[in-house]
Amino acid sequence: GAGVSQSPSNKVTEKGKDVELRCDPISGHTALYWYRQSLGQGLEFLIYFQGNSAPDKSGLPSDRFSAERTGGSVSTLTIQRTQQEDSAVYLCASSLVVFEQYFGPGTRLTVT
Amino acid sequence: DQQVKQNSPSLSVQEGRISILNCDYTNSMFDYFLWYKKYPAEGPTFLISISSIKDKNEDGRFTVFLNKSAKHLSLHIVPSQPGDSAVYFCAAAIQGAQKLVFGQGTRLTINP
Repeated sequence: GAGVSQSPSNKVTEKGKDVELRCDPISGHTALYWYRQSLGQGLEFLIYFQGNSAPDKSGLPSDRFSAERTGGSVSTLTIQRTQQEDSAVYLCASSLVVFEQYFGPGTRLTVT
Repeated sequence: DQQVKQNSPSLSVQEGRISILNCDYTNSMFDYFLWYKKYPAEGPTFLISISSIKDKNEDGRFTVFLNKSAKHLSLHIVPSQPGDSAVYFCAAAIQGAQKLVFGQGTRLTINP
């Protein structure tokens, strides 16, 4: 079956612009996660959605970052007024069984 | 505060030999541990996991060992194959908390 998909695969934007990153999870997976991986770093947790519960936003680095999940499926991560330090690979994952997360290929964001 | 640490950024092993990847953690509340494998331009894929009630879990060529007293886990791959060349991430979680904490990753290269 289809895995987790993310779009775009690459995004180059100018500092100060807003960007939207999209994630399509595996059908039927109730949990959805966003991470980012900066150069030379591990995966940094950003936000977690589980069903209809309020999301866990504890990993969002600033109020410029927000995410929503519509209809319990597709999710959009929005970064407002992008900064150069936002440059990273943004990874989305979904899961049905707790902790066994399936990752998408990521969106490489470059802020110039 | 790096709760999960992989102190070796890279490891080179000859094909057919054993690869040992190490991971240390600081939070004694962690009770579930996972290893993920990541190829370039792809998202991480789940490899193997272990609960804190066990000290060993084996799946084919892959074995994970957990030493709770030392807060240390390791992944053994034997025999190592060229297709094992990838970045390996260790992750830890508290069951019920739904969030994974990842290490920085170790790049494994298998030499023919």
